[in-house]
Amino acid sequence: AIQMTQSPSSLSASVGDRVTITCRASQDIRNDLGWYQQKPGRAPKLLIYGTSSLQSGVPSRFSGSGSGTDFTLTISSLQPEDFATYYCLQDFNYPWTFGQGTKVEIK
Amino acid sequence: EVQLVESGGGLVKPGGSLRLSCAASGFTFSSYTMNWFRQAPGKGLEWVSSIISDSSHIYYADSVKGRFTISRDNAKNSLFLQMNSLRAEDMAVYYCARETRSGWDRAFDYWGQGTRVTVSS
Repeated sequence: AIQMTQSPSSLSASVGDRVTITCRASQDIRNDLGWYQQKPGRAPKLLIYGTSSLQSGVPSRFSGSGSGTDFTLTISSLQPEDFATYYCLQDFNYPWTFGQGTKVEIK
Repeated sequence: EVQLVESGGGLVKPGGSLRLSCAASGFTFSSYTMNWFRQAPGKGLEWVSSIISDSSHIYYADSVKGRFTISRDNAKNSLFLQMNSLRAEDMAVYYCARETRSGWDRAFDYWGQGTRVTVSS
């Protein structure tokens, strides 16, 4: 199975900060990567698919980049509603595998 | 409006069985691949199983292969997960999710609210 290594596992940031989360795949997954946001007690929410395509309705402060094995989720200006846990997910081949998650907390 | 509503979770003893359901509405269910994911308490997300729109292809995580069975009833817009020989490590919130394609890209764009499975004696 493809291993997804996500970092950092947690971070503290202030409203307005630029935040970057990275995911590294154990093998080339082309651009078959998505990013999901999850708030406590809630289902995951799709933010980005295909590495860089913004899901409809998701604010443009979220962006994704990368290819092959290295991927990045960037929040250009952190908003209060963005404090959550973020997961990358590779859908290159089965089994689909997630990164360990990054908890974004208020500084 | 797309809606996915899971049900069937509950408390079960180790070795027991449970059948989860996911009722879909607001889209043409028979046209979509559907998935089950889960999240153990305090842990990350894990993919469990996928079933293609016409049930022609089915996939399982190694951790559930041989114990869980995914199925669907397109006439009733429903997805199922039959879980047998349950273990403590199967305890989790189970989510159903719709899989969509945009060109070559895949996305899990709609998720249910989840149903909790507790495995304990």
